[in-house]
Amino acid sequence: NAGVTQTPKFQVLKTGQSMTLQCAQDMNHEYMSWYRQDPGMGLRLIHYSVGAGITDQGEVPNGYNVSRSTTEDFPLRLLSAAPSQTSVYFCASSRSSGANVLTFGAGSRLTVL
Amino acid sequence: SQQGEEDPQALSIQEGENATMNCSYKTSINNLQWYRQNSGRGLVHLILIRSNEREKHSGRLRVTLDTSKKSSSLLITASRAADTASYFCATAQVYNNNDMRFGAGTRLTVKP
Repeated sequence: NAGVTQTPKFQVLKTGQSMTLQCAQDMNHEYMSWYRQDPGMGLRLIHYSVGAGITDQGEVPNGYNVSRSTTEDFPLRLLSAAPSQTSVYFCASSRSSGANVLTFGAGSRLTVL
Repeated sequence: SQQGEEDPQALSIQEGENATMNCSYKTSINNLQWYRQNSGRGLVHLILIRSNEREKHSGRLRVTLDTSKKSSSLLITASRAADTASYFCATAQVYNNNDMRFGAGTRLTVKP
């Protein structure tokens, strides 16, 4: 049972480039979310989804897009990367809502030059 | 803005001692959870306490919740070097059950 799989683990971008962070879960979880973790800031919620076709904004959504076409996948898109988006990104899922126990991926470290 | 605030930011103890970490939050919650993060890894769930519960145990972990003070504590008894990690509290908001807010964490170091 793989749990939550994130790719890539590391990525370096130049300012203005676009990229997609992939997240997949095999637990048939309805709820999926993206967080960013910055030093001394804890985790901040970017976007979340409560099921296929349903997404909503979290605390820091600007500069990020998401979609949920299947239950398993929840990609995070950076359309025009900025140095302020340098961070570690975590995908998490849970059975039905954010209030349930979250299962986290291993993280994706993104550096924007 | 962040919901949970952990205290202390860093804690260093000897193996065998108890470690206590505190979390304060601002708004009404459905539940409060504690997570652990080893360096360079994802977060792992430790324990969940609901808003109508006051205390919960799991192995060497004891969590208390005081909703009148909007605070929680995590006690790790008889600590081991393997407990070295960062610990985060997270709160599920009453106004939006899907908005899970994390604090900045407590960095625990247990010296052998």
